[in-house]
Amino acid sequence: AQSVAQPEDQVNVAEGNPLTVKCTYSVSGNPYLFWYVQYPNRGLQFLLKYITGDNLVKGSYGFEAEFNKSQTSFHLKKPSALVSDSALYFCAVRGWMDSSYKLIFGSGTRLLVRP
Amino acid sequence: GAVVSQHPSWVICKSGTSVKIECRSLDFQATTMFWYRQFPKQSLMLMATSNEGSKATYEQGVEKDKFLINHASLTLSTLTVTSAHPEDSSFYICSARDLAGGPPSTDTQYFGPGTRLTVL
Repeated sequence: AQSVAQPEDQVNVAEGNPLTVKCTYSVSGNPYLFWYVQYPNRGLQFLLKYITGDNLVKGSYGFEAEFNKSQTSFHLKKPSALVSDSALYFCAVRGWMDSSYKLIFGSGTRLLVRP
Repeated sequence: GAVVSQHPSWVICKSGTSVKIECRSLDFQATTMFWYRQFPKQSLMLMATSNEGSKATYEQGVEKDKFLINHASLTLSTLTVTSAHPEDSSFYICSARDLAGGPPSTDTQYFGPGTRLTVL
């Protein structure tokens, strides 16, 4: 069965410091991996995705994520955090053979960037 | 980028009434849309997959007679919560697949801003 784990409920970081939000996955075959961000009372905004190719994927707002097949991870990173990055982050996965196109979401990680 | 809208953004209704929520893809066509439900401080729970021109596919445990889904066109899907009760109060979010820019297997889901439903 497909699954996504976000082991940290909350990540705290000081503004200007690098941030990492962790995600590991389990899927049959090759994964399609996504990161979304949600601000309070809003829908999800697409940040980036990994389909194939370079393991380091660059996305919106300076975020990037590294696909690691051996560790089945897809951690979200940013070199220098901003207070405005404070939000709820979701990792999602879909198997490449899954014709339903459904995404499996992690439980979410709340990022708090303090000034 | 692809934009998905939802209407209304929030609604308050009396118990026993029905509420319709619209989901529109504004600048792309979406043969498939998804409806999610999100409880406070929790992840998204997929309710159903909405396919243009055919019946929706509901996830296990979701009452199809209570949550009616209609996907009348390539840009519009509606979710109707029938005979709403307080336990139906939640944040409902839709998403749409944007097929542009690659094969269907690599498309991205874009999400609407959500609709907060409160049933009194």
